Amino acid sequence: SQTIHQWPATLVQPVGSPLSLECTVEGTSNPNLYWYRQAAGRGLQLLFYSVGIGQISSEVPQNLSASRPQDRQFILSSKKLLLSDSGFYLCAWSVRGGSYNSPLHFGNGTRLTVT
Amino acid sequence: SQQGEEDPQALSIQEGENATMNCSYKTSINNLQWYRQNSGRGLVHLILIRSNEREKHSGRLRVTLDTSKKSSSLLITASRAADTASYFCATAPMNTGFQKLVFGTGTRLLVSP
Repeated sequence: SQTIHQWPATLVQPVGSPLSLECTVEGTSNPNLYWYRQAAGRGLQLLFYSVGIGQISSEVPQNLSASRPQDRQFILSSKKLLLSDSGFYLCAWSVRGGSYNSPLHFGNGTRLTVT
Repeated sequence: SQQGEEDPQALSIQEGENATMNCSYKTSINNLQWYRQNSGRGLVHLILIRSNEREKHSGRLRVTLDTSKKSSSLLITASRAADTASYFCATAPMNTGFQKLVFGTGTRLLVSP
């Protein structure tokens, strides 16, 4: 069966520090990968998605970047964190080459607090 | 941007009662999906209804879709305390990449024993 791992679960970082969140998927090949952010009491905002190694699409201009160095690994990074980067970050995958009818499968998220 | 808006924002019921949540959206869609999120956790896919479908069932879940009104409803029958969670609708808008699922703001459901 497929599983998705996301770490760390919680993170407290000072303003101006770098960030690296990692997500890996097991049990499937060539997945589509996604990073979402959820602000408190809000819905999910799509940040990045990837359909293959090295292929990253950014949905909103921001202080963050994403990379996909391996097929089942997705990394969210920042060189200098801002207070506004605080939030709940969720990684997800869907079937590669899937259609509009492919559901998303989420990790358990990382709670990031920038102080 | 958030296309889906759930109503109500919060719902409190007793075990055994039915819970109904509504979702409205703005543009034409390929499908609409419902997800559940337990506090502090990731989202779990519940059910998907395609734009050419009007009703779908899965266990105690019943979803309806009215594309003319651009709205959907999620009914949970015979609710249990374990159903306590936030519920989100998500739409796959037409003419955008299928990767770009757009989530609403969610309904917080509290089921009391």
